[in-house]
Amino acid sequence: DAGITQSPRHKVTETGTPVTLRCHQTENHRYMYWYRQDPGHGLRLIHYSYGVKDTDKGEVSDGYSVSRSKTEDFLLTLESATSSQTSVYFCAIDRGPYNEQFFGPGTRLTVL
Amino acid sequence: ELKVEQNPLFLSMQEGKNYTIYCNYSTTSDRLYWYRQDPGKSLESLFVLLSNGAVKQEGRLMASLDTKARLSTLHITAAVHDLSATYFCAVSPGGSRLTFGEGTQLTVNP
Repeated sequence: DAGITQSPRHKVTETGTPVTLRCHQTENHRYMYWYRQDPGHGLRLIHYSYGVKDTDKGEVSDGYSVSRSKTEDFLLTLESATSSQTSVYFCAIDRGPYNEQFFGPGTRLTVL
Repeated sequence: ELKVEQNPLFLSMQEGKNYTIYCNYSTTSDRLYWYRQDPGKSLESLFVLLSNGAVKQEGRLMASLDTKARLSTLHITAAVHDLSATYFCAVSPGGSRLTFGEGTQLTVNP
């Protein structure tokens, strides 16, 4: 257990509504990541953070924003959810000398 | 753009048989990772391969890395049903970001 929790674990929302997903870690790791997982695509990086208030884009960042005001929390926001953002979202932290990533339990988001 | 390709994408095998999953990547990578994912679950780290010729083994799984060929293999020996899962490789061309392959869905039949 890498001490990562995600909330909510499941969410159904409607197109056009804002949604915020939370990732919380208890181990004070500097790097945190948000991925989405879709059939046929594996995991794709949305955004990542390398410290408080330090974030950068991944390969599929359009339509998403992130914030990190505390080391332990990394928030992913969909400003106006679309059906194409229906996915499973995983948060990860970077741990150990070899940048091995450990994943949270995931959030299943459905946008109707 | 870094591309990571796994094959096969779907693998159905019988218990007791051996098989290999391949992971090819398109640019130089510092290290390579293998993960396992059970249906509806999160990803679990299996192996970290750090250099050319690296080999790691855990139970019936053995992973190897050939950086010159940009190829990693995950070999399954005498498969058992409990190995049924989706296996992902991921590479890190530099820094901490990972690029994942599409995943190989393995089903081991009695």
